[in-house]
Amino acid sequence: QSALTQPPSASGSPGQSVTISCAGTSSDVGAYDYVSWYQQHPGKAPKLIIYEVNQRPSGVPDRFSGSKSGDTASLTVSGLQAEDEAAYYCCSYAGRNSFVFGTGTKVAVL
Amino acid sequence: QLQLQESGPGLVKPSETLSLTCTVSGDSISSVNTVTHYWAWIRQPPGKGLEWVGSFYYGGSTYYNSSLKSRVTISVDASEKQFYLRLDSVTAADTAVYFCAGSDGVEFDFWGPGTLVTVSS
Repeated sequence: QSALTQPPSASGSPGQSVTISCAGTSSDVGAYDYVSWYQQHPGKAPKLIIYEVNQRPSGVPDRFSGSKSGDTASLTVSGLQAEDEAAYYCCSYAGRNSFVFGTGTKVAVL
Repeated sequence: QLQLQESGPGLVKPSETLSLTCTVSGDSISSVNTVTHYWAWIRQPPGKGLEWVGSFYYGGSTYYNSSLKSRVTISVDASEKQFYLRLDSVTAADTAVYFCAGSDGVEFDFWGPGTLVTVSS
């Protein structure tokens, strides 16, 4: 199980949008609609912000959206706010009750 | 809403065994051995990304990361609403913050705050 590939960093000004990619394979991202995304602030536990590719848990702002095309999933944060500065991780179900996380992307709000 | 809390030694010597406990609380669950949820351990080396360690499902089924499979065991004490992680023959590479997590779907909905385990003599 190799980690899913994410860009190490991304940035945007307040109010702008940023999109983070999550590249997997036909055995994980491409095979299942079970991609989730987590936001992690320094020293804190990850927080689920997207599940099943594009579903938002209750309480997560609609500024966060997810999508998938082939073996690559994406997270878009629209209307960037200062509190969105954090690390973001994708995760995919990889079959046989296993999971694989992405390498992580640090988002900076300029 | 469920709350999870990890506990265990913060320092383990090389070649020894790492043992952690996750305690689950919340009115919506009476036992961790339930069809409605499954449980997992996830770790994060300092400054690095997240790594799924393994999961426990209702009825005692366990699944582990293939890179750790020979050294890891996840078990449950349903009556105490706790589940456990055991990692044998640890090395410095096992130094990480260990999170326990719970799920009612195919994602990790609930997380503990994490506990740092350092492997050092």
